Amino acid sequence: GAGVSQSPSNKVTEKGKDVELRCDPISGHTALYWYRQSLGQGLEFLIYFQGNSAPDKSGLPSDRFSAERTGGSVSTLTIQRTQQEDSAVYLCASSNSGGASYEQYFGPGTRLTVT
Amino acid sequence: KQEVTQIPAALSVPEGENLVLNCSFTDSAIYNLQWFRQDPGKGLTSLLLIQSSQREQTSGRLNASLDKSSGRSTLYIAASQPGDSATYLCAVRPNQAGTALIFGKGTTLSVSS
Repeated sequence: GAGVSQSPSNKVTEKGKDVELRCDPISGHTALYWYRQSLGQGLEFLIYFQGNSAPDKSGLPSDRFSAERTGGSVSTLTIQRTQQEDSAVYLCASSNSGGASYEQYFGPGTRLTVT
Repeated sequence: KQEVTQIPAALSVPEGENLVLNCSFTDSAIYNLQWFRQDPGKGLTSLLLIQSSQREQTSGRLNASLDKSSGRSTLYIAASQPGDSATYLCAVRPNQAGTALIFGKGTTLSVSS
């Protein structure tokens, strides 16, 4: 596709349920990032992938959060046993790590609401 | 630890005014700096990217400057329009390797007609 896509755009779930968020990066982009944007907190880094490996997972807030990337393309962020504090917009970005600028391109985000 | 601060948090101006948004960062060792725009309920749109070796970048009515040694960047918007109303985010990339961007909390701009 032309840009980064994410699905679903909105997700409402009950506390304690598991959720999966999907990101399709720009074709050919080897680097992929997940961020979280909470009300009043700004954008926080969660995890970075280079190809299928994740050299930086330092932003994952707890072991309830995990992510994987397959085929060097699609990535899935999984949140287990969701809590109300997980409510946020989850943004995915990709970049061409071979490019000089490493500019990151963002998807539209998934708005997660935990009730 | 790198911290990015944006001032002001909110700004309201009448249409046609020129305005400046400010971004400061605590560690001058950055690889590049990006300015983004975010419309309500939407993702981020990249506006300008300045490499650490550059002083400024221009795109249309937008001009971004970078003073790495003092840890400051400004985004200048000329002849503001109601369509410029959005939140503007500044983000720094610490180094060349695949590190994440570190964001400020943004400046919410409202341009009235």
